Amino acid sequence: DAKTTQPPSMDCAEGRAANLPCNHSTISGNEYVYWYRQIHSQGPQYIIHGLKNNETNEMASLIITEDRKSSTLILPHATLRDTAVYYCTVRVPRTDPFGNEKLTFGTGTRLTIIP
Amino acid sequence: KAGVTQTPRYLIKTRGQQVTLSCSPISGHRSVSWYQQTPGQGLQFLFEYFSETQRNKGNFPGRFSGRQFSNSRSEMNVSTLELGDSALYLCASSLWGGAANEQFFGPGTRLTVL
Repeated sequence: DAKTTQPPSMDCAEGRAANLPCNHSTISGNEYVYWYRQIHSQGPQYIIHGLKNNETNEMASLIITEDRKSSTLILPHATLRDTAVYYCTVRVPRTDPFGNEKLTFGTGTRLTIIP
Repeated sequence: KAGVTQTPRYLIKTRGQQVTLSCSPISGHRSVSWYQQTPGQGLQFLFEYFSETQRNKGNFPGRFSGRQFSNSRSEMNVSTLELGDSALYLCASSLWGGAANEQFFGPGTRLTVL
């Protein structure tokens, strides 16, 4: 029962901004949006997360719509090394060591950066 | 700080056998989660351990089991292997508290069942 939906694949020209969409229409009020990526033959790598405000770090920016039903991950200047599968997932961050955490990953978006 | 390590990296087994995979989390991390990744199903959550206790479980049959030791290292076991168990098995560790408890994944163990 996937809680997020993403396009299966996208292409982006090197040096341009890559905008990856994610729909999470059933997100709960206390669930955060997390993004990970997986480069071939490696384990997934954390990118960024947010609740309702836009977030930015050294890797990417996360734009969450006001109704929180969708979000967009932005890689501002895509390089060939950004070619990977990008996963969007929603979860409640753990605030105590005994709380349960529901974890779901969809099939992700395969982003190909074109030279 | 060393990352998450998984052993072995590659494994070939035959149907009916059992297998044990190992995961060592990042030092100080107390939570370990296991995932199965296949081309058809994507990344699926198996289970999560914290302080030697399983506190969350995905929708996998009882052939899949795991445990965590007092040093936070974790093992998962798959008994009576089936062809469909061929997959990349990923382990991820994280701290237990706060909003920024992102998971750090290991390189995975690629299991092939013949």
